[in-house]
Amino acid sequence: DTEVTQTPKHLVMGMTNKKSLKCEQHMGHRAMYWYKQKAKKPPELMFVYSYEKLSINESVPSRFSPECPNSSLLNLHLHALQPEDSALYLCASSQVVDRVGGYTFGSGTRLTVV
Amino acid sequence: SQQGEEDPQALSIQEGENATMNCSYKTSINNLQWYRQNSGRGLVHLILIRSNEREKHSGRLRVTLDTSKKSSSLLITASRAADTASYFCATSRGFQKLVFGTGTRLLVSP
Repeated sequence: DTEVTQTPKHLVMGMTNKKSLKCEQHMGHRAMYWYKQKAKKPPELMFVYSYEKLSINESVPSRFSPECPNSSLLNLHLHALQPEDSALYLCASSQVVDRVGGYTFGSGTRLTVV
Repeated sequence: SQQGEEDPQALSIQEGENATMNCSYKTSINNLQWYRQNSGRGLVHLILIRSNEREKHSGRLRVTLDTSKKSSSLLITASRAADTASYFCATSRGFQKLVFGTGTRLLVSP
């Protein structure tokens, strides 16, 4: 299995809702990432997990809460989001140390906050 | 900011032509990677070049890296309509903090 699977593919939520984005990989990668991408912009790093522990938080607002329950799963819990948080949320995984293969990305969750 | 800048922002060519995209970055790096993204979907890793390498090939792709100029280029030879996508360079100091450049939108017309 060489894929990163993200669910759901699309999500519409109100500003008072609580929702979660899910990401799963079975490549044995021990580093997992959340990126946010606005239209016609590059992906921006949000969080990095290494060996299931949060290693980088790029000053992301607390309304985004990541969780890594095990080495294959990564969640992003969403609460009280703003319309400007509407974006494509990408999950990725990789080896922890520098390897030839780079990162493997999922297809993303397109989030709309209304 | 570590973010790279790419030029051109957009490139339109005919099938069979070569496409060259350039990336400049600001800080020292361990490696530089190139990714392709089709219309708002996930990114696909194309190639990784380490800071001690100067050139790398993969199929129709050729990547160069000049660390003295803090720049890289991606050449796609004999382009096809299926190469239409956005292309991003990405740099990291530590492997786990990958930062993407601004991207080049490539359109290959049949």
